[in-house]
Amino acid sequence: EAQVTQNPRYLITVTGKKLTVTCSQNMNHEYMSWYRQDPGLGLRQIYYSMNVEVTDKGDVPEGYKVSRKEKRNFPLILESPSPNQTSLYFCASSLYLGPTYNEQFFGPGTRLTVL
Amino acid sequence: AQSVTQLDSQVPVFEEAPVELRCNYSSSVSVYLFWYVQYPNQGLQLLLKYLSGSTLVESINGFEAEFNKSQTSFHLRKPSVHISDTAEYFCAVSRAGGTSYGKLTFGQGTILTVHP
Repeated sequence: EAQVTQNPRYLITVTGKKLTVTCSQNMNHEYMSWYRQDPGLGLRQIYYSMNVEVTDKGDVPEGYKVSRKEKRNFPLILESPSPNQTSLYFCASSLYLGPTYNEQFFGPGTRLTVL
Repeated sequence: AQSVTQLDSQVPVFEEAPVELRCNYSSSVSVYLFWYVQYPNQGLQLLLKYLSGSTLVESINGFEAEFNKSQTSFHLRKPSVHISDTAEYFCAVSRAGGTSYGKLTFGQGTILTVHP
């Protein structure tokens, strides 16, 4: 089944304790992206990646890191989480970049609480 | 850069009544337009999209949206809602054509609650 998976789905942690949220897709997609969802703000892009070893900042990158060592994986790293990073996080992927439209597929979400 | 404004944060409605969820966007370039739906405790699903051609687009479950370029709007409508339509709905845009980075810019979301 074609899908985007995220782990963990739920995470409660404490301020300053490094964590990684994994994202994996099995559709051979080149483009991957992370969003955070906050009430009243919708979804905002954190980072994106156009291919292996190619990443760039989105609208709200502060406090996050990403890496793209393999095409299928795009982990989100919080080196020193803070309470303002409590949010619902979504990973998304799409086939490739170009002049034509390619649908983005979203993962199930990871609900993170930082105490 | 693009921006999206959803004019209603919450829309309560009774079952079988019509509903309209409003979305306005701003962009200096051509855009693709989308509506996503998020059912409780689930991820986002693409409901419908406008890429080009007919300005009226429809989903398989009875929703429709009309692209109005002059008013920069993409309102979502359904003539008769069901309890199962209760969800949060997001309007989104992305840059059309050229070298697209695939970035979706989302509105704030509208929570549709259908009451029996």
